[in-house]
Amino acid sequence: NAGVTQTPKFRVLKTGQSMTLLCAQDMNHEYMYWYRQDPGMGLRLIHYSVGEGTTAKGEVPDGYNVSRLKKQNFLLGLESAAPSQTSVYFCASSSLGTGTSGANVLTFGAGSRLTVL
Amino acid sequence: GDSVTQMEGPVTLSEEAFLTINCTYTATGYPSLFWYVQYPGEGLQLLLKATKADDKGSNKGFEATYRKETTSFHLEKGSVQVSDSAVYFCALDSNYQLIWGAGTKLIIKP
Repeated sequence: NAGVTQTPKFRVLKTGQSMTLLCAQDMNHEYMYWYRQDPGMGLRLIHYSVGEGTTAKGEVPDGYNVSRLKKQNFLLGLESAAPSQTSVYFCASSSLGTGTSGANVLTFGAGSRLTVL
Repeated sequence: GDSVTQMEGPVTLSEEAFLTINCTYTATGYPSLFWYVQYPGEGLQLLLKATKADDKGSNKGFEATYRKETTSFHLEKGSVQVSDSAVYFCALDSNYQLIWGAGTKLIIKP
């Protein structure tokens, strides 16, 4: 099983450029998440989705947009990249979502390292 | 708001040493608690979890007990191996989000 696949794995952008990160999962999970990981700060939730056609803001949504047109895909877009968005981005999915006691286990992708110059 | 505090790393140990990585939390109610592990160049994966007070999660020789009285979920292993070198994250389940600790890097020397 592929699990959660993120593309691309690495990308270098110039300030002001746009790009889209793609996350695909083959586990039929309802819930999908985009996190960013910065040194010493753990993971911070950017946006999440509780099902096809839905999205919601997380802790740090500014400067990002997302779409969930198909259940298996969750796209993260940067319309005008800034150096502060240099980070490692992780996509994750789960079958029942957080808030369901004992049931939430996230499956993560391998990460996408983005550098904005 | 809810939060998770982990001991700062890196933690460097010799092979076969005893490991403790401290994790304490602040939360309303009684959230589920998790330890995730991130090996070099990979995404995070669940190591163990506990869903209520006094529960003990265990996996791959690692253990952690949900202590409500001390609001802690410390990770322990009796004898670490070089292959345990990774970053370990403590997390709690809060209001439909996971709240993460900053991560603790563990280095095991042969």
